[in-house]
Amino acid sequence: GMPVEQNPPALSLYEGADSGLRCNFSTTMKSVQWFQQNHRGRLITLFYLAQGTKENGRLKSTFNSKERYSTLHIKDAQLEDSGTYFCAAEAGGGSGNKLIFGTGTLLSVKP
Amino acid sequence: EAAVTQSPRSKVAVTGGKVTLSCHQTNNHDYMYWYRQDTGHGLRLIHYSYVADSTEKGDIPDGYKASRPSQENFSLILELASLSQTAVYFCASSPGYSGNTLYFGEGSRLIVV
Repeated sequence: GMPVEQNPPALSLYEGADSGLRCNFSTTMKSVQWFQQNHRGRLITLFYLAQGTKENGRLKSTFNSKERYSTLHIKDAQLEDSGTYFCAAEAGGGSGNKLIFGTGTLLSVKP
Repeated sequence: EAAVTQSPRSKVAVTGGKVTLSCHQTNNHDYMYWYRQDTGHGLRLIHYSYVADSTEKGDIPDGYKASRPSQENFSLILELASLSQTAVYFCASSPGYSGNTLYFGEGSRLIVV
């Protein structure tokens, strides 16, 4: 299968709702990054994790290398959270920061 | 704030023509990357570079060349553009070898007709 599987492919939320996105990895990854691609196509880095959990405002991300997954949790969704969210993982073995991207989750936040 | 700028932002090219996409970063980063984005595929790495005058193949290098004439500049060259190379191309930079956040440019939309 794909080295990085991202779920769900699409998600619709109402403002104020909470939800989570997930990436599963086919092999042990060294680190994971999460990006948001906004309506203009700009990619914005949200998190870099080598392990554990990080929080930034309404966003929280967890990376479990051993269990081969990462999650991105969005709390109190706002209209500006709409966009496509990508996870990207770095494999070990001297890959030189070559990231493997998931196929993205298209998030639509509705008023 | 990191700054990566790409040009052109949009281009229509004819099949068989030569296309050069340029990327400039003011972050003093060693690593630079070219990715392409297609619907349903996320981003895929074409070429990258960790030092001036040297480039490395990524995961999908066929049909592309890269050039890193200086630390700040990294170009992607399509010598003979093909229809299948219609995509959005992103340049990125990062400070070091591993474990570093990528800083992306705004993307270059290429349409080959």
